[in-house]
Amino acid sequence: AQKVTQAQTEISVVEKEDVTLDCVYETRDTTYYLFWYKQPPSGELVFLIRRNSFDEQNEISGRYSWNFQKSTSSFNFTITASQVVDSAVYFCALSEAGGATNKLIFGTGTLLAVQP
Amino acid sequence: DAGVIQSPRHEVTEMGQEVTLRCKPISGHDYLFWYRQTMMRGLELLIYFNNNVPIDDSGMPEDRFSAKMPNASFSTLKIQPSEPRDSAVYFCASRFTGVYGYTFGSGTRLTVV
Repeated sequence: AQKVTQAQTEISVVEKEDVTLDCVYETRDTTYYLFWYKQPPSGELVFLIRRNSFDEQNEISGRYSWNFQKSTSSFNFTITASQVVDSAVYFCALSEAGGATNKLIFGTGTLLAVQP
Repeated sequence: DAGVIQSPRHEVTEMGQEVTLRCKPISGHDYLFWYRQTMMRGLELLIYFNNNVPIDDSGMPEDRFSAKMPNASFSTLKIQPSEPRDSAVYFCASRFTGVYGYTFGSGTRLTVV
């Protein structure tokens, strides 16, 4: 069965600190996709990144970076030099690519509070 | 493109009333999903459609919930009768076959009093 675990419920940092949000997933499929979404206080779900299971190359986008390690079934998200605007709930999610399964399974989310 | 459009943004209704939530997916997307977000259960999939056909409704909590997609540009989620425990944020999302990015609407915050 698919499962996404975000063990960190809440993280509080001071502006300019680096912060890593952890994500561990479970799946029996060999082909799958991993996602990160941001939910700011306004409530919408904002897509950040998608990775497929065959591409373990780490990715950097500005202050954001993602570390995908199949060996540990982890897809961690790091924000460098955090800013107050980064305050949000961050969700990691998994989707199996094959068969009839098209569900996006979400973790429980990590609330990030960046203090000025 | 305007993205996935949901209406209303907020809905307050009394217990026992019928509630209808609406969603317009992104043009050309052939998959549509309804999710519910609560503090207790997080984000959970209720139902999804492919080419307007319901594929998996195993997440629909009970018979009081129903969803339809009469055409490629419109879907509804109906709750009849509504109960206080239905209070949640309901999200609609869409995507195109072969593209595994899901675009979410802004959500409908439902409060049943």
